[in-house]
Amino acid sequence: GAVVSQHPSWVICKSGTSVKIECRSLDFQATTMFWYRQFPKQSLMLMATSNEGSKATYEQGVEKDKFLINHASLTLSTLTVTSAHPEDSSFYICSANSPGGPSYNEQFFGPGTRLTVL
Amino acid sequence: AQSVTQLGSHVSVSEGALVLLRCNYSSSVPPYLFWYVQYPNQGLQLLLKYTSAATLVKGINGFEAEFKKSETSFHLTKPSAHMSDAAEYFCAVSDSSGSARQLTFGSGTQLTVLP
Repeated sequence: GAVVSQHPSWVICKSGTSVKIECRSLDFQATTMFWYRQFPKQSLMLMATSNEGSKATYEQGVEKDKFLINHASLTLSTLTVTSAHPEDSSFYICSANSPGGPSYNEQFFGPGTRLTVL
Repeated sequence: AQSVTQLGSHVSVSEGALVLLRCNYSSSVPPYLFWYVQYPNQGLQLLLKYTSAATLVKGINGFEAEFKKSETSFHLTKPSAHMSDAAEYFCAVSDSSGSARQLTFGSGTQLTVLP
């Protein structure tokens, strides 16, 4: 149980285009999901906290208009990188809080999405 | 505010040798602590977690960690390294009192296992 998927697993796009990444909790409902960015050989940096039915909470330094987050249902959050540029190339990982029980306070991570902007 | 410090960005051990990955935390409230493993181009997999129960926590793949409040440490160990243990390891802390349950990650330790 507690599986999180991401789609696509990798994407290559041209500079100036927008890219949407989906994060789904497959077998549980997640009121809160998190989006991270990871540069090569570095740790995960929290970008934003996605709350179902409300606006996302962005970390300091993350452009809200650049990285659009939508959490329209209890099993789906999307991250849209708008007008992508080469510096947006990175590994994007989402996670979702477990609903409770033995896995309370645990985050389950998606497999990540590799974005390359040409 | 919480923080995690992982000492040693790279650790190399021989196959069969003891693995010790260090993690120290800072938290103003009782923390929840986690160790995750990441293989190349993959997400994070939970190895083990401390949530204020037993201080010695056993996880998957033979790993364990001991929570030492006096030392503010949560070091990860494995008695005998296997080639398949080569990966990036992240220590993370969560505020036990927070509703959002955000994680703060350490900088990571790359484990290399030598034949």
